[in-house]
Amino acid sequence: KAGVTQTPRYLIKTRGQQVTLSCSPISGHRSVSWYQQTPGQGLQFLFEYFSETQRNKGNFPGRFSGRQFSNSRSEMNVSTLELGDSALYLCASRPSARTENTEAFFGQGTRLTVV
Amino acid sequence: LAKTTQPISMDSYEGQEVNITCSHNNIATNDYITWYQQFPSQGPRFIIQGYKTKVTNEVASLFIPADRKSSTLSLPRVSLSDTAVYYCLVARSYQKVTFGTGTKLQVIP
Repeated sequence: KAGVTQTPRYLIKTRGQQVTLSCSPISGHRSVSWYQQTPGQGLQFLFEYFSETQRNKGNFPGRFSGRQFSNSRSEMNVSTLELGDSALYLCASRPSARTENTEAFFGQGTRLTVV
Repeated sequence: LAKTTQPISMDSYEGQEVNITCSHNNIATNDYITWYQQFPSQGPRFIIQGYKTKVTNEVASLFIPADRKSSTLSLPRVSLSDTAVYYCLVARSYQKVTFGTGTKLQVIP
């Protein structure tokens, strides 16, 4: 069974640009969550999608957005990039959003560098 | 959201048993306790999950007292490859899964 796939693995963008990151969850998983990880702030929750609907949202500005497609693949978009957006962006998938299955499977992440 | 508190760092020698305790005083009835392990520049990896008493798998054991206000992750006979950050999470149905600061475990040869 293939794991969670995130593309691209590395990305360099300049300030003011926008970026789109992609996440393909494990086959059959319907819940996809996104996280930002930086040395200073640790792992911070961005948002979670389940069946194409955003179910939960973290405390990030509106420049951060996401969506989920009918095949459960998800994308996140960051517009008007700032230097502080440089981070490892992680995607995690779960079979469902039920508590009894809180085991989340993470991808390798996308390392975004904003210059 | 139940807040979790765990030590920032721990050191252990190879071959020893390591116990990492997490405090979650305001845990709710429907909350489950989950532990993850993360190596640098990789996504976290699920270790173990429990609701009460004791859970054991091939990697670790999780001890949860009756009041569920804390939990202890036990790693038997650690090796250098167990050096990582360990996160304790508490979550319930449809709630966002958030990570705390974690415990940085350093295994010493």
